[in-house]
Formats: sequence, C-alpha cells, structure tokens
Amino acid sequence: DQQVKQNSPSLSVQEGRISILNCDYTNSMFDYFLWYKKYPAEGPTFLISISSIKDKNEDGRFTVFLNKSAKHLSLHIVPSQPGDSAVYFCAASGSRAGANNLFFGTGTRLTVIP
Amino acid sequence: KAGVTQTPRYLIKTRGQQVTLSCSPISGHRSVSWYQQTPGQGLQFLFEYFSETQRNKGNFPGRFSGRQFSNSRSEMNVSTLELGDSALYLCASSLARGGEKLFFGSGTQLSVL
Repeated sequence: DQQVKQNSPSLSVQEGRISILNCDYTNSMFDYFLWYKKYPAEGPTFLISISSIKDKNEDGRFTVFLNKSAKHLSLHIVPSQPGDSAVYFCAASGSRAGANNLFFGTGTRLTVIP
Repeated sequence: KAGVTQTPRYLIKTRGQQVTLSCSPISGHRSVSWYQQTPGQGLQFLFEYFSETQRNKGNFPGRFSGRQFSNSRSEMNVSTLELGDSALYLCASSLARGGEKLFFGSGTQLSVL
C-alpha cells in the first residue's frame, strides 16, 4: 500500500514559469517531509524539507508547502529552468531524527522547455 | 570528497541465482541504507545499518539480507532471485540519522531473466 503518492507521473513547463509538483500521503504519523531530485544515471539528491510544525519552507527558487489537514504537500519552483528537468520524489518520515526509513512516492518527471 | 560508490553498475542474473551488491559510503559516514527502486513502486526501504548493526528493516522477504563491515562498507544479498527483483538498488549513507542527510549512490541496475 503506497503511503506517499505522486499522482502526476510527468509535468511539462515553459522556462521561466512556475512548476508545481504535488504529493499526498495517507499516514497521519508522518511529521517530516522531503523532496529529492534525480537525474538519469545518478542517485537522488536532497532538495528541500519541511517539518510538520511549519506550513512553508523556502530555499531560493524552491518552496515547499504543507497542508496537514489535507495530507498534501507541494513543491513550487519559480522560475523554472531547463536544468531543473529531472524526476522529483516526495518522501516522508515518522521523525526527523528517526531512522533513515523514508517512504517515497513514485516520482514526477519534470521537463522544463526552453 | 568521494561520494557513495556502488558496484557493480549493472548486473544480469537468471531466476534462482543469488547476487551480492556492494556499497562504499562517504568517508566518515557510519549509516548505510538500502532502497529498491521500481517504476511502479518508487523507492522502497530495504534496511539500514549503523556501526555494523541492522537498525531498521523494511517489508521485504528474508531473501533480502545485508551486512556492514567495520569500515562501514555494506553489502546486500538477494538469494533465489525472482523476476520481480529486477530493479535499481540504491545505497545511501549518512553521518547521522535523518532523511535530509542521506547521500545516495548511482545505484546497481539488476535485471533478472
């Protein structure tokens, strides 16, 4: 049973516009959420995270929003750049300081069109 | 500083065989985690080792096992391979526990024929 879901397998956006990637989770015990980015032939790399005590975290062009009541989070990339083209994975954990047992979504392939 | 190194990069096996994958973490990292990536399931946690001890285990059958050596290098073994074991196996290391500090290797692509 997939506890973290990314229902959009792919997304295409024009360069300079906003990219919005969505993620839903079912387990109310999750309290820490992360986004990873993966380029072909490389392992995932950490992008940004958010704790359940916050509803927004910003890092440069990347902002993650958390709606706990809806069990939904989203990643906004503004402005989108061709180098952002990659697969983005949403992940969740029961505790920031807990085990490295992350629950991942199936990923969304973002294509930024120049 | 060298990143996480996984060997081999590609592997082809037949059903019923066994396979051993290797992971060398970033120098100084003592935690090593293993994940299986498949198109339909995303990344799924296999197990985590810290200081040669298994600290956590995912929901995989006993055919999947691992170990960690005193130099923090880790191996995972899959016995009696099944077609469904075809996947990208990713290793991640970290200094401490916590998802944001996971550094992933490029993975081993296993194909079971």
